Amino acid sequence: TQLLEQSPQFLSIQEGENLTVYCNSSSVFSSLQWYRQEPGEGPVLLVTVVTGGEVKKLKRLTFQFGDARKDSSLHITAAQPGDTGLYLCAGAYGYSGGGADGLTFGKGTHLIIQP
Amino acid sequence: NAGVTQTPKFRVLKTGQSMTLLCAQDMNHEYMYWYRQDPGMGLRLIHYSVGEGTTAKGEVPDGYNVSRLKKQNFLLGLESAAPSQTSVYFCASSPGLAGAGGELFFGEGSRLTVL
Repeated sequence: TQLLEQSPQFLSIQEGENLTVYCNSSSVFSSLQWYRQEPGEGPVLLVTVVTGGEVKKLKRLTFQFGDARKDSSLHITAAQPGDTGLYLCAGAYGYSGGGADGLTFGKGTHLIIQP
Repeated sequence: NAGVTQTPKFRVLKTGQSMTLLCAQDMNHEYMYWYRQDPGMGLRLIHYSVGEGTTAKGEVPDGYNVSRLKKQNFLLGLESAAPSQTSVYFCASSPGLAGAGGELFFGEGSRLTVL
């Protein structure tokens, strides 16, 4: 089983602060996804990054894929209480022979933004 | 827009009982998956299907069976429930291969407790 390490596991900050969470592996991915999960709901896709060095922005969220496609980061500027949730990264290995056996999830970062 | 619907949302079982979780999607997706989510373990793939009439084992298939008789439905069965199967179960579907970076659409989850 390929491992995706996410850090930190838990993060609690005040509204308005900036933060970065990380997703790291020793494996190379063909693409990497970030999902956000709110309590009592399923994960929802935020972004997919494909190219090494790629940067994508989604309002106050900035996603970066490492040059070697082994790691990724999520930076949130001026965090708001609505950003609270579990952030999951998922790395895809580009398998063409199966369905989901080429996708692995990290354990997630629990983020709490306090008003 | 229903998306992915899971039933039931909550269930309590006694050890040794059987039950079936139903997942229905209305997006005409070929690929469907069952995951379980446990504290500190992240999302782990139980079984998946790459099309009607097909199923395949994921990372943690023991103790579970699945069926995909219709394209829109994916059933997860527990023949003899064990306390270790206490978890939150998520169904997902995707239009493309998850291992190739296809977006996963998740249901809201089914919380199962085995006493």
